[in-house]
Amino acid sequence: QKEVEQNSGPLSVPEGAIASLNCTYSDRGSQSFFWYRQYSGKSPELIMFIYSNGDKEDGRFTAQLNKASQYVSLLIRDSQPSDSATYLCAVRQVDNFNKFYFGSGTKLNVKP
Amino acid sequence: EADIYQTPRYLVIGTGKKITLECSQTMGHDKMYWYQQDPGMELHLIHYSYGVNSTEKGDLSSESTVSRIRTEHFPLTLESARPSHTSQYLCASSEWNRGTGAFFGQGTRLTVV
Repeated sequence: QKEVEQNSGPLSVPEGAIASLNCTYSDRGSQSFFWYRQYSGKSPELIMFIYSNGDKEDGRFTAQLNKASQYVSLLIRDSQPSDSATYLCAVRQVDNFNKFYFGSGTKLNVKP
Repeated sequence: EADIYQTPRYLVIGTGKKITLECSQTMGHDKMYWYQQDPGMELHLIHYSYGVNSTEKGDLSSESTVSRIRTEHFPLTLESARPSHTSQYLCASSEWNRGTGAFFGQGTRLTVV
């Protein structure tokens, strides 16, 4: 079983819409959760982190965490074509040598 | 400016050559990581380090080796490159604080011919 599971997509949304990206994780000991954006041929860029149940908002981005369901999501409001990228969900297992485990990513296409 | 640097960005090399991929960070982070990523595929952890003189193998078996003699420097070495080593290698670092993520360098795209 993979540590982090994501739907590979692609997820296509029109410009201005809300994009919803989802992720599940297997280890209940995971303590911190991160969303990265990766453009084709580039390295991952950290955009959000969350470690408490509930919602965390930063500009157009909202991260949501439900530890009981082992579920993390990222909402992108007012999606722009420049948001088109692959979004990686990651978990940090503090009790497992602080390793970061990444999902395979969801490809998002925002159509003008 | 605090950052994490990888060199070279691109490397094409012949089979059997020894190569070293450089990674340096100026953020003072204790923890450093090497990930391997094939195009369109997920990141796989191949090495990590807690600090100076501390290195561990990751979850994906790799023929590469690493060293951590200085906090800021975490080079990866392949003694004898093979075509199967062709991939993108990403170096990252992080603090101990659980609320901080891993910050990545620009990556080295390695092609072994």
